[in-house]
Amino acid sequence: KQEVTQIPAALSVPEGENLVLNCSFTDSAIYNLQWFRQDPGKGLTSLLLIQSSQREQTSGRLNASLDKSSGRSTLYIAASQPGDSATYLCAVDTDKLIFGTGTRLQVFP
Amino acid sequence: DTGVSQDPRHKITKRGQNVTFRCDPISEHNRLYWYRQTLGQGPEFLTYFQNEAQLEKSRLLSDRFSAERPKGSFSTLEIQRTEQGDSAMYLCASSSERDAYNEQFFGPGTRLTVL
Repeated sequence: KQEVTQIPAALSVPEGENLVLNCSFTDSAIYNLQWFRQDPGKGLTSLLLIQSSQREQTSGRLNASLDKSSGRSTLYIAASQPGDSATYLCAVDTDKLIFGTGTRLQVFP
Repeated sequence: DTGVSQDPRHKITKRGQNVTFRCDPISEHNRLYWYRQTLGQGPEFLTYFQNEAQLEKSRLLSDRFSAERPKGSFSTLEIQRTEQGDSAMYLCASSSERDAYNEQFFGPGTRLTVL
């Protein structure tokens, strides 16, 4: 059974820091991996999708890597800003998305 | 409107009542998913449609839950005889079979509170 774990569960940092959020999964048989952002009480916004054959994907200050053989992905956020404060979820696609429990990020000025 | 929409955004009901939620996917998307998210957890898969066919249902979807997508466009999720444990955010997502990566796009969710 596929299980997805995210570490840390919560993170509080001052503005300007570079951050790494971690995601691990137990079964490497995935089609792709998506990172999402969720603001309190809201739906999910897709940030990055990494195909199973890719090693990384970049969008602006965000960079996500994927090591399928070891079952790991990282989301790197450069030069964090207070507006980045949200919960970040990773999900593996096995015909349906299986999510981790998220990392709750707070960036303070 | 180019996004996934859900209605209502909030629903408060008493235990034992029936509720129905609606999801309108992105217009060119033929795949539609329902997920449920409880506080502090990631979303959990409930069911999935391709066009009007319901292709998979999670064991989380008890016999009190039913989902339909009658014409392959919008979908409804009905919960009968609601229980307090049904309180959660119900999320809908859509994707296109023609997208090789099957990227899913989510709606804003319907928050259900069962008193």
